[in-house]
Parts: sequence; C-alpha cells; structure tokens
Amino acid sequence: SQKIEQNSEALNIQEGKTATLTCNYTNYSPAYLQWYRQDPGRGPVFLLLIRENEKEKRKERLKVTFDTTLKQSLFHITASQPADSATYLCALFLGPGNTPLVFGKGTRLSVIA
Amino acid sequence: DADVTQTPRNRITKTGKRIMLECSQTKGHDRMYWYRQDPGLGLQLIYYSFDVKDINKGEISDGYSVSRQAQAKFSLSLESAIPNQTALYFCATSDPGRGTDTQYFGPGTRLTVL
Repeated sequence: SQKIEQNSEALNIQEGKTATLTCNYTNYSPAYLQWYRQDPGRGPVFLLLIRENEKEKRKERLKVTFDTTLKQSLFHITASQPADSATYLCALFLGPGNTPLVFGKGTRLSVIA
Repeated sequence: DADVTQTPRNRITKTGKRIMLECSQTKGHDRMYWYRQDPGLGLQLIYYSFDVKDINKGEISDGYSVSRQAQAKFSLSLESAIPNQTALYFCATSDPGRGTDTQYFGPGTRLTVL
C-alpha cells in the first residue's frame, strides 16, 4: 500500500525565513500531490496541487516542487509570518479510479516572531 | 453559509451508547468521506462513498457504520461507543469531475466517550 512520510512532526522557524516541509512517498507514483493547511481544531483546507508532469507550482508566498525520481515533494513558505503557524498535510492521488486521497500525518509549523 | 456542515459540533456520551454524527453539503459533490483524527496520528479514513449507492470501508471501519441518505447527506454511527473512539471527526466531500479530487472538509465534531 502507499506510504507517505512527512519527515518532521514539528518545525520551528523565525519570522521572515523560508520554511521548507518535506513529503516522501513509497510504491506507486501519484498522479498528483496536494497540500493542505490545518489549524487546531479545524478541518484541513486545500492550498496547492502539483501534477506528476510539473516540477514546480507557485501561489503567492507558497511554492511546491515535485520530484518523481526522488519520490518527494517540497513545500516552501517564503517570508514566513506567525500567521503561517499551522499543521501542513500532503496528500497523494494515484489517478482516476476509485481510490481516495492518501494523507500524510502532517508537519506542525511554528513561526516565531 | 458553510458548504460542508457537521452536527453536532461537540458531543459527550457514555460507553455503550449509540450515537450518530451527521454531515450535510451544498457543494453538489458525489463523493463524501468520514475521518477521525487523534493527536499525532493524522487523518484516518473510516468510510467513504463515491455516490449514493456506493459505500466503502476505510482503514479503521470497525465499530462504525454509515448511511448515505442522499447526495447531500452522509451519517456516521457508533453503535456502541467506547472510550477509545474519543476523537475529532471530520466529514469531507470531493468532486472527481475536475480531475483533482480535492477534498473540502467540514468544521469537525469533537466526540468524548466517558
């Protein structure tokens, strides 16, 4: 079965720095990766998606990369702010069919002022 | 109004009681999901439904059952609640028609079983 690892349970960085979160997966290559943000006690919210044939995707201060050779996605937040503090989840979609998204456990990011 | 709603938002019950968590959506999505989340364990899929006539078990379905009453409604039942079912429960929907199957989550139900 597909296994996803987000290699840090928690990450602390200083305000203004770039936060980099990692998502590694095993077995089958996904058709695409999604990243979600989750605030404490709330449901996850979709942020970005990157397809298997894309190397990089950007949205404002967010950037996602996808390396199918390394089986890894990196999620970057530039010029980080305390408001960026949350848990970030990656999720894999294996492709058309009847398989739901597979979620990683998440990385809790704390941006310190 | 929220697109995905869950009721109740908080529930305290006793061991052995039957309880139902309800989820409604106005997004018009065919796919609906139930997850539980425990601290440090991430989201665990309990059941999912890809249309009204389709129900599938997730990774942790034991002790739970579901009912898909309509496209917009998906209920989760605990037939005989036990303390280790204390958790935060999320309902989600998705639309595969766009090819991305992005999921949209409800606000969650915090369940405590004493």
